[in-house]
Amino acid sequence: DTEVTQTPKHLVMGMTNKKSLKCEQHMGHRAMYWYKQKAKKPPELMFVYSYEKLSINESVPSRFSPECPNSSLLNLHLHALQPEDSALYLCASSPRTGAYEQYFGPGTRLTVT
Amino acid sequence: GENVEQHPSTLSVQEGDSAVIKCTYSDSASNYFPWYKQELGKGPQLIIDIRSNVGEKKDQRIAVTLNKTAKHFSLHITETQPEDSAVYFCAPPGAGNMLTFGGGTRLMVKP
Repeated sequence: DTEVTQTPKHLVMGMTNKKSLKCEQHMGHRAMYWYKQKAKKPPELMFVYSYEKLSINESVPSRFSPECPNSSLLNLHLHALQPEDSALYLCASSPRTGAYEQYFGPGTRLTVT
Repeated sequence: GENVEQHPSTLSVQEGDSAVIKCTYSDSASNYFPWYKQELGKGPQLIIDIRSNVGEKKDQRIAVTLNKTAKHFSLHITETQPEDSAVYFCAPPGAGNMLTFGGGTRLMVKP
């Protein structure tokens, strides 16, 4: 199974809401990633987890809070977002961090109103 | 950090023609050169990659060529089909060995 799943597919939230995005993989990968992608732009790296520990935070605002409960799951908790945070949020995994193929999920389309 | 540029940003070809997309990078230590394809409504998917100990790799209609001296690598698609229409990204690793995505090339294959 080479699939990365993400839920929900779409999410609309107000600026005072709290919501979470979920990502799951069962390939035994020990590196997991969150990316943000705006329309007509490349994915931008937000966070990297390596062996369930946060290894990279690309200066992401604290209103985004990642969590890796176990080696198969990755969450992104959202609180007090701004309209400019509306984007496609992509999760990816790879066997380890470094020069390996990353497997991407289909993404969650987030709209902040 | 790694500076990655991709050209062209859009490319329109007739079905059956070839398409070539070029990626230029700045980090001479890069040793892994992947190409990703992103279709509408989906996440990027790796279509081909090459490591720096080879100059060319081919997989059916897709090939990647690498020129380490000039610091660029290219994606070649032959006999294009409508299903090749997508956005293509090069993503050589940069700082911390993390993928650094180019700006993307929107390929349109006209039937």
